[in-house]
Amino acid sequence: LAKTTQPISMDSYEGQEVNITCSHNNIATNDYITWYQQFPSQGPRFIIQGYKTKVTNEVASLFIPADRKSSTLSLPRVSLSDTAVYYCLVGALRNTDKLIFGTGTRLQVFP
Amino acid sequence: EAGVTQFPSHSVIEKGQTVTLRCDPISGHDNLYWYRRVMGKEIKFLLHFVKESKQDESGMPNNRFLAERTGGTYSTLKVQPAELEDSGVYFCASSRGRDFEQYFGPGTRLTVT
Repeated sequence: LAKTTQPISMDSYEGQEVNITCSHNNIATNDYITWYQQFPSQGPRFIIQGYKTKVTNEVASLFIPADRKSSTLSLPRVSLSDTAVYYCLVGALRNTDKLIFGTGTRLQVFP
Repeated sequence: EAGVTQFPSHSVIEKGQTVTLRCDPISGHDNLYWYRRVMGKEIKFLLHFVKESKQDESGMPNNRFLAERTGGTYSTLKVQPAELEDSGVYFCASSRGRDFEQYFGPGTRLTVT
């Protein structure tokens, strides 16, 4: 699976939009980009997944440029409850292989 | 739909003792995974079951760790004998298969003293 690089931490305030960028320069043609969220004392939770362009669900948006060497997770109007660690993972869809977690980005939302 | 459950939530044992962790996946999920995070490190893959068969156990650190999934339902992970470096949080995850979404349990925090 492709290696990913993310910022270690980010701070934001309630109501703001947060964008977390992940670099994955050696992404393969068959790889998808997936983001997980982890709250303290819980297991990681799937947020969103995409292959190219833009994907949006009720929680977040995922922007992927044409070269797919990076991706940006966008959280609209964050609240205190969005304080968590966010992981960017790259791997093939329909490949129920092991997930490889990096260090993730620790997002702290302030009131 | 019930999520992935793990038992116990926390276990404190002495070095040399044995501990067994249990994971109940989401009903109908054939794929079951074990991961762990040791202190200050990243979440690391341990092994992957498809039903009762071990698909990939490349992440198992050594032969003190034994995972089973009899009948293809719940799974156990036994550590025998436990060492100090085994301390950490052990996560279990399950998926239906053929997609990338894995559902994680809350983890078992293992402390070896």
